[in-house]
Amino acid sequence: TQLLEQSPQFLSIQEGENLTVYCNSSSVFSSLQWYRQEPGEGPVLLVTVVTGGEVKKLKRLTFQFGDARKDSSLHITAAQPGDTGLYLCAGALDFGNEKLTFGTGTRLTIIP
Amino acid sequence: NAGVTQTPKFQVLKTGQSMTLQCAQDMNHEYMSWYRQDPGMGLRLIHYSVGAGITDQGEVPNGYNVSRSTTEDFPLRLLSAAPSQTSVYFCASSYSFAKGSQYFGPGTRLLVL
Repeated sequence: TQLLEQSPQFLSIQEGENLTVYCNSSSVFSSLQWYRQEPGEGPVLLVTVVTGGEVKKLKRLTFQFGDARKDSSLHITAAQPGDTGLYLCAGALDFGNEKLTFGTGTRLTIIP
Repeated sequence: NAGVTQTPKFQVLKTGQSMTLQCAQDMNHEYMSWYRQDPGMGLRLIHYSVGAGITDQGEVPNGYNVSRSTTEDFPLRLLSAAPSQTSVYFCASSYSFAKGSQYFGPGTRLLVL
């Protein structure tokens, strides 16, 4: 059983469209991170959210941490081909033990 | 700064062989981790270290050993390779697991026949 479920698993949309991907769990996280991974490379951190209800913006990307700290979403406005990649969420379960648990990932393809 | 480096990039092993995956970082991070990435399963933590001389098991530690004799290096040893260990292995370092960024290496792609 995967602790962090991401949906959709695959998403292919046209350039210029908007999209939202989700990261859900039944567990409470002390913090949650989003990473993007390109083929043949390691993941790169996009954002860390630590407060329930927190919203962070990174240019065209908007990240939200659920009020109950069990879920998160990533919204991309006017998607561009450079947004193509594997998006991974990762949560720290315990407030005293900060090991990260990674989600299953959403593979996003933006079609020019 | 080179960041996190991993060697080799690719490796083919026969069942039962042993090998060591190397990982080094030059950012003076205390925390280092090894993950494996398999299709549809995200990244799973194998072993991690919170500082030189201190290591602990992650989610999938069986068949792997680690040691941390220096802050910079965190090698991963496969004791007797099995086909189930075919995967892409990533090493990561950070100043904090949860609050700071984990910096990942480029990965080692391992095939066990």
